Amino acid sequence: GAGVSQSPSNKVTEKGKDVELRCDPISGHTALYWYRQSLGQGLEFLIYFQGNSAPDKSGLPSDRFSAERTGGSVSTLTIQRTQQEDSAVYLCASSAGHLQAFFGQGTRLTVV
Amino acid sequence: AQSVTQPDIHITVSEGASLELRCNYSYGATPYLFWYVQSPGQGLQLLLKYFSGDTLVQGIKGFEAEFKRSQSSFNLRKPSVHWSDAAEYFCAVRPTSGTYKYIFGTGTRLKVLA
Repeated sequence: GAGVSQSPSNKVTEKGKDVELRCDPISGHTALYWYRQSLGQGLEFLIYFQGNSAPDKSGLPSDRFSAERTGGSVSTLTIQRTQQEDSAVYLCASSAGHLQAFFGQGTRLTVV
Repeated sequence: AQSVTQPDIHITVSEGASLELRCNYSYGATPYLFWYVQSPGQGLQLLLKYFSGDTLVQGIKGFEAEFKRSQSSFNLRKPSVHWSDAAEYFCAVRPTSGTYKYIFGTGTRLKVLA
């Protein structure tokens, strides 16, 4: 596609359930990022994939969060046993190496 | 520690007035610098970026930014604001080599009065 695509756009889940958020980066982009944006907050780095290198997971807030990137393309962010504080907009971005990152529209996650 | 500071959480300007949004960074070396804009319910759109060279960079929608190394600043400006500029603006930095992790400021929400 022409841009970074994220699905679903909105997700409401019950506390304690697992959720999966999907990101389709721009074709050919080797770098992929996940950020979290909480209400009134800036963008919090979660994880970064670059090509075949080991991902930079330094921003994942707990072991309930994990992400994978299959075939160097699509990425899935998984949150296990969701908590209310996980409610936020999760943004995915991709870039072609050193160039600027392009962001998707985000997935708004609400944990009730 | 690496950080980006946007000291103004909210700014209100009248349509047609000039605008300056402040951004200061703390980094070991001069990073790449970016300004992104986020309209309500939307993702982030790149306004402009600074990699090297001329310290005054032009972006989309009539925005420009000036990199001042001595002040570790990268302020965003627009000479005449339009109502459609109302949005949230984020300054970001990224190292020039190694990990390409972006560090964002907390954003400045711009309100435009008709």
